[in-house]
Amino acid sequence: DTGVSQDPRHKITKRGQNVTFRCDPISEHNRLYWYRQTLGQGPEFLTYFQNEAQLEKSRLLSDRFSAERPKGSFSTLEIQRTEQGDSAMYLCASSLGLGGETDTQYFGPGTRLTVL
Amino acid sequence: AQKITQTQPGMFVQEKEAVTLDCTYDTSDQSYGLFWYKQPSSGEMIFLIYQGSYDEQNATEGRYSLNFQKARKSANLVISASQLGDSAMYFCAMRERRAGNTGKLIFGQGTTLQVKP
Repeated sequence: DTGVSQDPRHKITKRGQNVTFRCDPISEHNRLYWYRQTLGQGPEFLTYFQNEAQLEKSRLLSDRFSAERPKGSFSTLEIQRTEQGDSAMYLCASSLGLGGETDTQYFGPGTRLTVL
Repeated sequence: AQKITQTQPGMFVQEKEAVTLDCTYDTSDQSYGLFWYKQPSSGEMIFLIYQGSYDEQNATEGRYSLNFQKARKSANLVISASQLGDSAMYFCAMRERRAGNTGKLIFGQGTTLQVKP
């Protein structure tokens, strides 16, 4: 396994359309995170899964956003009724789930979303 | 609340020289971890180095070392013998260890490093 993968790498959509992104974590990793990064800023946490359970959601994750991780493997992030403010890089990360502060997160290449 | 501050928006360094990227943090927890990531223009976040709050020695990984000063709450990244491929955005991040913590990372705003030939 070569690392975390994300699909698509780029997505251009019109305002009001729905989009879905996919993340495939490193195979033995139990934890999966989604972050959003706008231009010139550091990533901001969106949501977190431990296996298939979604255990935390940021207040940044409005009701237009939904994330799933069926069977604790890949994850999808869907944005409904996209707005121009949703334009950003969406990053997925996974970790072994050792707990504590030593659990290193490994990131995928990101999906760059542009909402016209 | 946790906070990471990177005060250098941009840095230049001559190839083969060393460079220090600054990072200060704020936390009320005694147990936490500090991370540095590199983000090239391609966008992928690449893990570089980790320092635990209880680690007595500064972390090192090849040309990367972390100058950890706990009392000053700083965790500066030192890159020795800079290479052209080091040109990228660098992010400092922290995770607190507390009951119920999901392990999410808090990132600084980043420092853009440009290595000159």
